[in-house]
Amino acid sequence: GESVGLHLPTLSVQEGDNSIINCAYSNSASDYFIWYKQESGKGPQFIIDIRSNMDKRQGQRVTVLLNKTVKHLSLQIAATQPGDSAVYFCAERFGSARQLTFGSGTQLTVLP
Amino acid sequence: NAGVTQTPKFRILKIGQSMTLQCTQDMNHNYMYWYRQDPGMGLKLIYYSVGAGITDKGEVPNGYNVSRSTTEDFPLRLELAAPSQTSVYFCASSYSEASTDTQYFGPGTRLTVL
Repeated sequence: GESVGLHLPTLSVQEGDNSIINCAYSNSASDYFIWYKQESGKGPQFIIDIRSNMDKRQGQRVTVLLNKTVKHLSLQIAATQPGDSAVYFCAERFGSARQLTFGSGTQLTVLP
Repeated sequence: NAGVTQTPKFRILKIGQSMTLQCTQDMNHNYMYWYRQDPGMGLKLIYYSVGAGITDKGEVPNGYNVSRSTTEDFPLRLELAAPSQTSVYFCASSYSEASTDTQYFGPGTRLTVL
């Protein structure tokens, strides 16, 4: 079946640097993408989303880029802070809310 | 609003035992979901509901049952617990089925089956 995968399982960055987390998806029919943040012992928390008719969307300190040509999604976090340490999941959706497929996650560690 | 709440937070079961994981949301969301998350993995959909009285299977429904008697509650039932059901279970809700509608997650229930 279709799946969403991540290039790197772990990422360590210095506090204050920018972070880039990547995600590859395989379902060309997916029309909506979401990034979730999951802190230890907590449920996933919505960060930012992007529709397939866009290639970039910005939030507060976060930017999501979508490249449909190569089926690639990335999350950029500016000026990474210790509170950004968490597992980040990308998810793709095609058709309806119930068809949400998650990737396996990337552990982001912010070093002092 | 409390959002999505789940009980219990932790539970240890013996093989063959049964239990119900509770999920409640106070956002008047029509759609509710149950996911499981195995270590180092993403979430997989077990069951979902589009409204009171309506439920449907997700990707991994075997070994589970659900009911939706009210808009607020969506309990997940394990009838005969197996070690393969050791996982963290997350309940989520969303207002509609629209592809752009955000799913809000509860804090999770960590279940161990020994």
